[in-house]
Amino acid sequence: GQQVMQIPQYQHVQEGEDFTTYCNSSTTLSNIQWYKQRPGGHPVFLIQLVKSGEVKKQKRLTFQFGEAKKNSSLHITATQTTDVGTYFCASTWDSNYQLIWGAGTKLIIKP
Amino acid sequence: DAGVIQSPRHEVTEMGQEVTLRCKPISGHNSLFWYRQTMMRGLELLIYFNNNVPIDDSGMPEDRFSAKMPNASFSTLKIQPSEPRDSAVYFCASSFGAYSNQPQHFGDGTRLSIL
Repeated sequence: GQQVMQIPQYQHVQEGEDFTTYCNSSTTLSNIQWYKQRPGGHPVFLIQLVKSGEVKKQKRLTFQFGEAKKNSSLHITATQTTDVGTYFCASTWDSNYQLIWGAGTKLIIKP
Repeated sequence: DAGVIQSPRHEVTEMGQEVTLRCKPISGHNSLFWYRQTMMRGLELLIYFNNNVPIDDSGMPEDRFSAKMPNASFSTLKIQPSEPRDSAVYFCASSFGAYSNQPQHFGDGTRLSIL
């Protein structure tokens, strides 16, 4: 079946350092969505990318969709404690109903 | 606006008991999804409804699991009989439209523990 590989599984950073998570597919994606799940919470939609090479920003968060639409990244600049949580990518192939979820990257701020 | 509402928030019960989880999707959303989340397996789609009709239940683990959507504003996920390996967080999510180019809105989840 279709899969989205997300790496790394965990990333430990000092507050103020940057954070990046990557999602990769062996086949072309229709779109990609990013979600954030706080500890003990539920996934919350952040953004959707649709176009090849698309870049979108939300304050300190930068989302990119690869030119070949086979990969995507989420970069957080100067992490804050409020950024702690697990970041998931989710995608579809063609216009079907099912989102295929990455395994998530857990952002941990070192004390 | 009210989001997706799930109940109960927590459920602790003994093995063999019947468990019923409830979900009220966002008004106007016509797609509803049940997910299960565990540390080992991550986020798994159990079943998807569109316009109250089950479209894909291939993620339902086995016959002990069943889901219904009798109307546009209510869905249930039932486990009978429950087993300890069913312990997980169960999320309901809804979206507008039949295709997954729409954001999914999740409820707070039901944290289920089967003893």
